[in-house]
Amino acid sequence: RKEVEQDPGPFNVPEGATVAFNCTYSNSASQSFFWYRQDCRKEPKLLMSVYSSGNEDGRFTAQLNRASQYISLLIRDSKLSDSATYLCVVNTGNTGKLIFGQGTTLQVKP
Amino acid sequence: EPEVTQTPSHQVTQMGQEVILRCVPISNHLYFYWYRQILGQKVEFLVSFYNNEISEKSEIFDDQFSVERPDGSNFTLKIRSTKLEDSAMYFCASSEVGANYNEQFFGPGTRLTVL
Repeated sequence: RKEVEQDPGPFNVPEGATVAFNCTYSNSASQSFFWYRQDCRKEPKLLMSVYSSGNEDGRFTAQLNRASQYISLLIRDSKLSDSATYLCVVNTGNTGKLIFGQGTTLQVKP
Repeated sequence: EPEVTQTPSHQVTQMGQEVILRCVPISNHLYFYWYRQILGQKVEFLVSFYNNEISEKSEIFDDQFSVERPDGSNFTLKIRSTKLEDSAMYFCASSEVGANYNEQFFGPGTRLTVL
């Protein structure tokens, strides 16, 4: 089983749509969770950390279910500028090592 | 806004040659990392570095790889004898602390092409 698994997509949605991405992780000892965004041939950039209580940042909502080892990201009112690859990322230890999923590609169309 | 910088942006080398990839982490950060991403694949952890020593390394980081912080600002990744399969984008990252929920800031990457 992959350490962090995501549906690669692509997700093609119209502007204004709501889209949800899911991710599962295999190591139950994982300690912290993130969504990063990666534009084509660019570096990953932190979108948001994910907490057990769930958290929201504007149009973006992230949820964590530790029992199911499942992480989600919801994007409301999609913009053209949201087109990117969304990376589910997990930290399993104290050395800062990040484990990345394959990424889910989102294409928002006018 | 402070940022991680990397040089060169693109390095082309012949198989068997040594390469050194350079990074300047954010100045007050204490934890440093190298990741790589082969074209079309996921980002993979290589090594983490703190207090002038490696704190964790992956299976990819074999004895052909080494890291160094030669002075107070640079952080380097050396590949001693490059192979074709080392062709990838190499990202340097840094963070203030190594603990949970601490954001890692990534540099723009060095694209390494091994011929």
